[in-house]
Parts: sequence; C-alpha cells; structure tokens
Amino acid sequence: GIQVEQSPPDLILQEGANSTLRCNFSDSVNNLQWFHQNPWGQLINLFYIPSGTKQNGRLSATTVATERYSLLYISSSQTTDSGVYFCAVRADSNYQLIWGAGTKLIIKP
Amino acid sequence: GAGVSQTPSNKVTEKGKYVELRCDPISGHTALYWYRQSLGQGPEFLIYFQGTGAADDSGLPNDRFFAVRPEGSVSTLKIQRTERGDSAVYLCASSLRSYNEQFFGPGTRLTVL
Repeated sequence: GIQVEQSPPDLILQEGANSTLRCNFSDSVNNLQWFHQNPWGQLINLFYIPSGTKQNGRLSATTVATERYSLLYISSSQTTDSGVYFCAVRADSNYQLIWGAGTKLIIKP
Repeated sequence: GAGVSQTPSNKVTEKGKYVELRCDPISGHTALYWYRQSLGQGPEFLIYFQGTGAADDSGLPNDRFFAVRPEGSVSTLKIQRTERGDSAVYLCASSLRSYNEQFFGPGTRLTVL
C-alpha cells in the first residue's frame, strides 16, 4: 500500500521563526490533507490540497502531485502553533486516509 | 455549524467488558469513518460507511470489533471482550461524499484496565 513519510519528526523553534514541514508519498493520490493535532488531541483541518498551492493566514501549503510531495509552511510561529502536524493521503483505490507519523513542533516563547 | 461529536470523551473499562462508542457526524455528511490512534502514532483506519452500509471494514483488527450506522447518520463502534491492547483514542470523521475532505471529532479515549 501507499507509504507516507513526514520530516522532520521533531522541530523546536523560537517564537517568530519560520518552518517548513515535508510530506512524501509513494504513489499517486487524489486527496491530501494537512492537520494540526493540538495538545488536547483535537485534529484541526489545515488544508485540503491534492495539488497546487493554498494560503491561510500565516500558513500555506504546496502539493506537487507529479513529484509526490507536499510542503507545509508556517511563518512567524506562535506558541499556539505547538503540537503535531499530520499529513494524510487517500490513494485512488481507497476511501480511507493513510497517515504519516507526524512532525512534533514545539514553539518556545 | 456543529462539527463531528463523539461520546463519551473518556471511557475506562475492565478487561473482558463490552463497550460502545458513539459518533454523530456533521449534518448532511453521507460518509463516515472510524480510526484508532495509539500514543505517538498517526491514526489508523478501521471502517468506512457510505450511508447505512459498511463499504470497507478492512481495518477492523478482529471480530471483537463491530460498527453500525442504522439510519445513515449516527454510528456506534462496538468492542466485545475488551483487551488491554484496545486502549487508544478512537476517532470518528465524516465527509460530505466519499472523496471529499474529512473532518474529525474530538475522539474517545478508551482505557482498558
């Protein structure tokens, strides 16, 4: 089945810094979602981005489907950005999301 | 509008007991998914419903796990003869149609003692 790899696994930054999180996937996909799991465990939808580029405030994402990767950019980090960021994909033949292991982000004040 | 809701938020049970976990999807969403998340890992797929029927139950770990969605809205995940290895956060998600963006509930944290 499809494999999803996220990097880096852990990231510690000072408030105000910028970061780039990467998601690689091993096969073609028809859905890619980025989530932020906050310290209380809630999964918050960030982007639904099977291809192209989207921006929402300080966050933006780019998916290059032909090269099988997606990037999540976080600018001017705030402590509330802390948590785990997951990339999840759906392959053409399936309905469920296949998840990466996540990037744990810690923003220090 | 209201998001996906799940009850209870926490459930502690003893090994061998039966538990039911409930999911109330976003109104109008026809697709409903159950996932399970263990500590430090990404969620893993359990079962997918389109309407009332289980279209894909390939992720259910064994026959102790069962889920229903009798009226095409609320779903219940049922676990018989619980084992300590069943301890995890059980997540429910819904989407407007099968191939649309999935939205998640807050999860039910199940602890089997």
